[in-house]
Amino acid sequence: DTGVSQNPRHKITKRGQNVTFRCDPISEHNRLYWYRQTLGQGPEFLTYFQNEAQLEKSRLLSDRFSAERPKGSFSTLEIQRTEQGDSAMYLCASNDGGINSPLHFGNGTRLTVT
Amino acid sequence: GENVEQHPSTLSVQEGDSAVIKCTYSDSASNYFPWYKQELGKGPQLIIDIRSNVGEKKDQRIAVTLNKTAKHFSLHITETQPEDSAVYFCAASGDYKLSFGAGTTVTVRA
Repeated sequence: DTGVSQNPRHKITKRGQNVTFRCDPISEHNRLYWYRQTLGQGPEFLTYFQNEAQLEKSRLLSDRFSAERPKGSFSTLEIQRTEQGDSAMYLCASNDGGINSPLHFGNGTRLTVT
Repeated sequence: GENVEQHPSTLSVQEGDSAVIKCTYSDSASNYFPWYKQELGKGPQLIIDIRSNVGEKKDQRIAVTLNKTAKHFSLHITETQPEDSAVYFCAASGDYKLSFGAGTTVTVRA
């Protein structure tokens, strides 16, 4: 168990550019979640996958955001036409999908939009 | 949806003293209440959790209590140590996604 891995750890981009983040969950976990955390706040749910199926998207996830988990393993989160308000920590988490199964978080990707 | 409120937002304690963080939740269907510790530059790490069929749970210096009638739950850290300094988050869930409180920054003074 190597834990949840996220890359890159930091990303600085200019407004209007596209960015993509990657998450590798714990290998035997079939559920994968994306959360966003702004300074001084708790994580906010964005979306989650059961294997390769995206089952829910928060209203926080505008149409500039897209997430995929093509083979039910790693996931990518893409933000198109970034805005300064997108600056945040993007956290990935996974669990085995059992009822109230503990969520294991990665160390996040910190995005700064200038 | 679920709304979780957490108090206090900051807490400073002398090493060896106890720290208590309190949370309330709004959705009576919530039945799972984990607590996370987040250190600078890292993701949240699960430290303890409690389910609604249990009123109290303890793990070494950490304990959680749950009052489902009042919809509140608390984290208690005894004999605090400098390494307990971090941001602590409570969360609540009734299904598959967690709703988090805004966090408590705990500082343990040596």
